[in-house]
Amino acid sequence: DAGITQSPRYKITETGRQVTLMCHQTWSHSYMFWYRQDLGHGLRLIYYSAAADITDKGEVPDGYVVSRSKTENFPLTLESATRSQTSVYFCASRVGGSSYEQYFGPGTRLTVT
Amino acid sequence: AQSVAQPEDQVNVAEGNPLTVKCTYSVSGNPYLFWYVQYPNRGLQFLLKYITGDNLVKGSYGFEAEFNKSQTSFHLKKPSALVSDSALYFCAVRDAGNAGNMLTFGGGTRLMVKP
Repeated sequence: DAGITQSPRYKITETGRQVTLMCHQTWSHSYMFWYRQDLGHGLRLIYYSAAADITDKGEVPDGYVVSRSKTENFPLTLESATRSQTSVYFCASRVGGSSYEQYFGPGTRLTVT
Repeated sequence: AQSVAQPEDQVNVAEGNPLTVKCTYSVSGNPYLFWYVQYPNRGLQFLLKYITGDNLVKGSYGFEAEFNKSQTSFHLKKPSALVSDSALYFCAVRDAGNAGNMLTFGGGTRLMVKP
């Protein structure tokens, strides 16, 4: 059972470049989420998706783009990376209905130089 | 708006002793509360949740949490700590009245269990 996977696990990119972080889940969960984790800020929600082709902003969406053409995939794109986007990015998913616990991927450590 | 506070950045406890990691919350309606654990270079792992019912919730790895509505708290507890429990712990809340799907996380508490 692969669960939820993220790729790459580590990425170094330069300011201004576009970079896409991938997230894939094998549970057929309806909901998927992207968080960033920074020292002093805990986890902050960037975007989430309730189903294929349905996405919504979270707490810190600026500078990020998401899409969800298939239930199992939820890529996060930084259109023009900035140093302030250096962070650890976590993808998560949950089933629909009243079971609200989320299940997290292993994370992607992104460094923008 | 919903919020969560974890007042301790770090908790130190000796192996075999009971441990408590504190969490307080603020929501406008009834809370859904969660605890997660994060080991180094790993994602968050779900430990337990409170939705309704018994105020004492049991979860994975021998952890439990006590919901206290009057004190708006949801402290994580374990009767006997293990060195392997050393990790970063996050409390999270969802406002049951919130039509959205956001969990709000606390800043995390690092638990250090010493032999």
